[in-house]
Parts: sequence; structure tokens; C-alpha cells
Amino acid sequence: DAGVIQSPRHEVTEMGQEVTLRCKPISGHNSLFWYRQTMMRGLELLIYFNNNVPIDDSGMPEDRFSAKMPNASFSTLKIQPSEPRDSAVYFCASRTGQSQPQHFGDGTRLSIL
Amino acid sequence: GESVGLHLPTLSVQEGDNSIINCAYSNSASDYFIWYKQESGKGPQFIIDIRSNMDKRQGQRVTVLLNKTVKHLSLQIAATQPGDSAVYFCAENIGDSSYKLIFGSGTRLLVRP
Repeated sequence: DAGVIQSPRHEVTEMGQEVTLRCKPISGHNSLFWYRQTMMRGLELLIYFNNNVPIDDSGMPEDRFSAKMPNASFSTLKIQPSEPRDSAVYFCASRTGQSQPQHFGDGTRLSIL
Repeated sequence: GESVGLHLPTLSVQEGDNSIINCAYSNSASDYFIWYKQESGKGPQFIIDIRSNMDKRQGQRVTVLLNKTVKHLSLQIAATQPGDSAVYFCAENIGDSSYKLIFGSGTRLLVRP
């Protein structure tokens, strides 16, 4: 079975550039999550979608970050303009419903120079 | 918030021995718990979950124990194998939030051949 698919796996870009991360959740999952993982802060929830609607974006660091889910099989996380402190591994996860485990993709390792 | 890969506690075990990884959770209202395994360069992988109406659940070579009295969760891995080497995270889902997982700081398991 295909799991959560993220692209690109690695992204290196210069500060000020726009970065777009992509996620395809597991088919049939109606909830999607974006996380950021760093050594210092661990896993942080950025935004949560349910049935393609953003429910909680309180974890989005600032206005430079935005996320969309145009349909049930695709989501993007965009950073514009990017800054060196945005360097981290960004994970997407999906699940079927409440009290069900979230399943994670293998992440995008983002480096902003 | 949780964190701190630089200071992850580490458990070193001999191949073939049993491993026990412990986790203290914070909120007595948490009603659902998950253990994840994260290998280098990969996303957290679901291992096993347990709901608060249970105190034990078994999977293939893994057992999760829940002690609500002292807010403690443990993951037991039988006959530990080199492929079990990874960072293990516990996560709790607080009952009043159907989606937000609070992740522990993680334990690194090293399996000696």
C-alpha cells in the first residue's frame, strides 16, 4: 500500500526564495497534518486539515508560511520568503479519523542558505 | 513542546534481549496513546496504539503497557533485532482535542550485535 508521499525529499535554496513542499495523503484518509522537526524543538504541529478544510493553523510560525489543500489527495506548504531559521525536516501525516494513528511521510529536508 | 535530539536518552541492548522503553505523559485527560519508531532519514512509523480503557495491548514482538495512575506508558520489544535500532517516540492525544498529538522527547535504542 502506498503511504504518505512527500516531495521533494531534499530542498536547498537561498534565503528569500519561495519554497513549496508537497504531500499526497493516504487514499481514504480525511485528515492531514503538516509538522516541522528540528533538533531543538522536536516535532511541532504546523497545521491540521479535516476534509480539506484548515481547522487549526495556530502552529504556523508566521505569515510567511501558508498551506492549502485543494482536494483530498493533495496539499502544499509554502514558505515565502524563506529564511535560514526555516531549515528543518517537514513532515506530512494523514489519518482516517479520531483516535486513529497518524501515518507520516518520509519528510522534506529543507535547507535555507 | 518536546524536543531535544541532542540530549536523547539512549538505551543500549544486546541483540536478542528484550527492550523496555518508558514514557511519562503529562495530561490525565489523555485518552489515546501511540508509539512511533523513527529511523534516520525517515518519518515516524506507527508501531502500536492503546486507548485509555485498556492497560495492555500486544502486537507482533511489541507490547504497550499503560498505567494511568502514575501517567506512565512503556513499550516492550521482545527479542530485539538490529533493525529495531531507531528513535522511539510516545505520543498522547488529549481527550478534548480530537487531533492534537503531544510527542515525547524520544529515546534512542541501540542494538549491539
